[in-house]
Amino acid sequence: DAKTTQPPSMDCAEGRAANLPCNHSTISGNEYVYWYRQIHSQGPQYIIHGLKNNETNEMASLIITEDRKSSTLILPHATLRDTAVYYCIVRVASHSGGSNYKLTFGKGTLLTVNP
Amino acid sequence: ETGVTQTPRHLVMGMTNKKSLKCEQHLGHNAMYWYKQSAKKPLELMFVYSLEERVENNSVPSRFSPECPNSSHLFLHLHTLQPEDSALYLCASSQGDWTQTRYTDTQYFGPGTRLTVL
Repeated sequence: DAKTTQPPSMDCAEGRAANLPCNHSTISGNEYVYWYRQIHSQGPQYIIHGLKNNETNEMASLIITEDRKSSTLILPHATLRDTAVYYCIVRVASHSGGSNYKLTFGKGTLLTVNP
Repeated sequence: ETGVTQTPRHLVMGMTNKKSLKCEQHLGHNAMYWYKQSAKKPLELMFVYSLEERVENNSVPSRFSPECPNSSHLFLHLHTLQPEDSALYLCASSQGDWTQTRYTDTQYFGPGTRLTVL
């Protein structure tokens, strides 16, 4: 799986949009971009994923650049409960030949939402 | 009960004890996973079951023994553990499926069991 680079920490004011960047310059054509977050000592929570197109769900939006070498996770109106470590992961889906079940979590970005 | 549940949430055991961790998923998924998360270390995949068959074992010591009796339940049996096995043990489940725009085999995690080995 391709390696990702994220800033170690970011701050955001409550109610403002949080934009979390991720670089994945070595991503290959069949690798998806996934975002998870983990609040202290809890299980990781899935947020969103995409391949080429931008995606939006009830939690966040994912913007993937046209060359797919970077992406941005957007939390449109951050709340205090969004304070967590956010992980950007790129991986081949398990259907793409062989078994690829592993999620490789790096160090992520600690997002702190301030009142 | 919804999502992925794990019991117990906290467990303290001695090195000579035998205990089991339980995971149950209520999502109708066909794959289940055990992960280990030690302090200040990335998540480590331990075992994967797909359609109740073990498909991956990432060089996990034999003192950890998984069991998957059906697609909704997953156990991790523990015996003669070491203090360095103290960690957060996470269960996850997934189901591969195609949508209009993409394939998804998203893994959904339970809350974890915090294990302390004395």
